[in-house]
Amino acid sequence: AQTVTQSQPEMSVQEAETVTLSCTYDTSENNYYLFWYKQPPSRQMILVIRQEAYKQQNATENRFSVNFQKAAKSFSLKISDSQLGDTAMYFCAFKVTGGYQKVTFGTGTKLQVIP
Amino acid sequence: DTGVSQDPRHKITKRGQNVTFRCDPISEHNRLYWYRQTLGQGPEFLTYFQNEAQLEKSRLLSDRFSAERPKGSFSTLEIQRTEQGDSAMYLCASSFLGGTEAFFGQGTRLTVV
Repeated sequence: AQTVTQSQPEMSVQEAETVTLSCTYDTSENNYYLFWYKQPPSRQMILVIRQEAYKQQNATENRFSVNFQKAAKSFSLKISDSQLGDTAMYFCAFKVTGGYQKVTFGTGTKLQVIP
Repeated sequence: DTGVSQDPRHKITKRGQNVTFRCDPISEHNRLYWYRQTLGQGPEFLTYFQNEAQLEKSRLLSDRFSAERPKGSFSTLEIQRTEQGDSAMYLCASSFLGGTEAFFGQGTRLTVV
């Protein structure tokens, strides 16, 4: 079984600053995906960024980047130039590669961007 | 709007009543998932359909819960004899057969009073 741990229930950051959200996971699998999902207040969850475990290069999507440390089973999300629209719950998630596999989510980090 | 649609958005029901939620996935998506999200928690997997076949059910899905996906299109999740512990956000998601990304609906928030 896989577990995903987010140890920061809440965080805040000043607009235009950089913030890093932490995530650790535990698995015995070798091939998997890691995700960060964003859930704005009263809105649907959307995928922010995805990392394939076999890729050593960290994924980036515009202002969002990850620091993937496979040996340490760590997967942090860095948000640069934070914007008010980044205020949301952020969930780290895990999925084994191949066929159908359900996604396992962490408990989330509530991020508040302060003007 | 071609995203995942869920209805209703909010439901308040008395304990002991039955409720049914509907999910319309993105039309080309073969896979459909139901998740439950309680306050302060991440979504927890409930069940999964590939086309019309229900291929996995979580142990969270007690006998009072039933899900269907007739004809492999929309899906319904029914909760019978609701309990206060059923109060949660029920999320539906869909994906392509070979896809890695699941697309989520806005959810149905159930409150059992």
